[in-house]
Amino acid sequence: GENVEQHPSTLSVQEGDSAVIKCTYSDSASNYFPWYKQELGKRPQLIIDIRSNVGEKKDQRIAVTLNKTAKHFSLHITETQPEDSAVYFCAASMNTGFQKLVFGTGTRLLVSP
Amino acid sequence: SAVISQKPSRDICQRGTSLTIQCQVDSQVTMMFWYRQQPGQSLTLIATANQGSEATYESGFVIDKFPISRPNLTFSTLTVSNMSPEDSSIYLCSGGPAGETQYFGPGTRLLVL
Repeated sequence: GENVEQHPSTLSVQEGDSAVIKCTYSDSASNYFPWYKQELGKRPQLIIDIRSNVGEKKDQRIAVTLNKTAKHFSLHITETQPEDSAVYFCAASMNTGFQKLVFGTGTRLLVSP
Repeated sequence: SAVISQKPSRDICQRGTSLTIQCQVDSQVTMMFWYRQQPGQSLTLIATANQGSEATYESGFVIDKFPISRPNLTFSTLTVSNMSPEDSSIYLCSGGPAGETQYFGPGTRLLVL
């Protein structure tokens, strides 16, 4: 089955810096890669996703890149703000009707003012 | 997007008892899933709730321990049976249309004494 590895487990940056979180997946059939942000005590919230027919997707300060050959994808947050502090999870699935998500282990991002 | 609610939001239970968690979606969704999240950990899929048929369980999870119902396209229940302290966790449901984004409920925080 699919296995998703995520690095780093913790990431501390200064406000205004960029943050990059990386994930690798094992199943080449996976074709949908969402990223979720989870604040303490809250539900995971989708922040961006990418499908395998696209190499990069941007939404304001957030971008995701996908390298299908290497089977890895990354989340990029620019101009970080203290409210970006949270745990971020990557996931992978075969999004063909039965989109079971396999999650990475999570990255705790701390943005210091 | 789908709005998902769960009941109860939290509960404290005695070992040996059972708890049923309800998940309600505000629109018809094809896929519904149940996850478990231990404190500080990632999300682990328990099962896929199939409408009108038996749930599909992941390795390590069995129907006798986690019976699931899904009578229609907007509602599902997860029962945690014969609970032990090891079942203390956050239980989340998620849902979405086939081939589309999954949204999460707020979670049920369970403590077993």
